[in-house]
Amino acid sequence: GAVVSQHPSWVICKSGTSVKIECRSLDFQATTMFWYRQFPKQSLMLMATSNEGSKATYEQGVEKDKFLINHASLTLSTLTVTSAHPEDSSFYICSANTGTSHTDTQYFGPGTRLTVL
Amino acid sequence: AQKVTQAQTEISVVEKEDVTLDCVYETRDTTYYLFWYKQPPSGELVFLIRRNSFDEQNEISGRYSWNFQKSTSSFNFTITASQVVDSAVYFCALYGEGGKLIFGQGTELSVKP
Repeated sequence: GAVVSQHPSWVICKSGTSVKIECRSLDFQATTMFWYRQFPKQSLMLMATSNEGSKATYEQGVEKDKFLINHASLTLSTLTVTSAHPEDSSFYICSANTGTSHTDTQYFGPGTRLTVL
Repeated sequence: AQKVTQAQTEISVVEKEDVTLDCVYETRDTTYYLFWYKQPPSGELVFLIRRNSFDEQNEISGRYSWNFQKSTSSFNFTITASQVVDSAVYFCALYGEGGKLIFGQGTELSVKP
């Protein structure tokens, strides 16, 4: 149980284009999903918290107009990197809580590796 | 401030050796939750354990065991008889304010045959 999927697993795009990453909870409903970014050899950095049916909460320093998050259903959240640039190249990981409490265990997706040329 | 420190950046062992990964945390909360996750080369974080602050019992799961000591604010992870498949980056994490998971910097474990 508690399986989270991400699509695509990797994407290469040209500078200036937009890229959409999907995060799905496969066997449970997720009121809250989280988006992280990870650079090589580094830890995970929380970008935003996504709540179903409401606006995402972004961490300090994360541009909300650049990283658009939509959580339209209890099983799907999307992250759109708009007008991507090479510095946006990174490993993006989503996670989802299995319960309704913010202290419930987060289960992580397999990640999406974005390369912007 | 809430913080998780994994002082060991990289550890290299030979197969069948026991290895302990250290985790020290800081929090002012009386109720908190600690986690360990494994990140193999594929990138996906795999949940290993969750422990709440009121449960100081050590836990064993197969070759894995965890030692939680509130007196030293530590939540160490031991792998017994390590195997090559244990090679990965291991993250210790703490549920902090506002439901945010605070990660340590990770320990890269390399198990050589």
